[in-house]
Amino acid sequence: DQQVKQNSPSLSVQEGRISILNCDYTNSMFDYFLWYKKYPAEGPTFLISISSIKDKNEDGRFTVFLNKSAKHLSLHIVPSQPGDSAVYFCAASAGVNNDMRFGAGTRLTVKP
Amino acid sequence: GAVVSQHPSWVICKSGTSVKIECRSLDFQATTMFWYRQFPKQSLMLMATSNEGSKATYEQGVEKDKFLINHASLTLSTLTVTSAHPEDSSFYICSASNSYEQYFGPGTRLTVT
Repeated sequence: DQQVKQNSPSLSVQEGRISILNCDYTNSMFDYFLWYKKYPAEGPTFLISISSIKDKNEDGRFTVFLNKSAKHLSLHIVPSQPGDSAVYFCAASAGVNNDMRFGAGTRLTVKP
Repeated sequence: GAVVSQHPSWVICKSGTSVKIECRSLDFQATTMFWYRQFPKQSLMLMATSNEGSKATYEQGVEKDKFLINHASLTLSTLTVTSAHPEDSSFYICSASNSYEQYFGPGTRLTVT
């Protein structure tokens, strides 16, 4: 049972535009959400997180939005840069130090 | 989408014993498998990368004699935690890659008492 879903396997945007990556979850017990970025041949690196007490968290060009009623979160990258091209994984857990569940990932390509 | 399974999903063992965790790619051939360990505040640490039929490549600081990794086939990799200690208690996640995409397993919670 896939509790965290990323329904878009890939996304292509032009440099300078906004990239929006989406993630849906089914487990209502999830209250902590994270985004990881992964380059080929490397492990995923933590990007940004949000707890369920917030609906938005911003860090530089990266903003994560959480819609608890819809069980949906999204990652916005503005402006997108070619170096942002990578696979982005959404993850969720019930409790900040509990086990995570990952989505399948979305491959972002930012074209110069 | 591709499916990666891990077995067991959780295990409790006594200090000094060894535990084997299996990672299987169920519907594709995984040329490379990765093992991660989850640390507090959700950070993931890559422990090792294994390619089918060859020795695993361990990240700096990971004891290869303690965390034995075997990638015997294109669909199976195992992580054996030898002489486990309470500090080895953690959540271990594997992922499998077919050179195009990487897919995460559901993880294994190890508790050493």
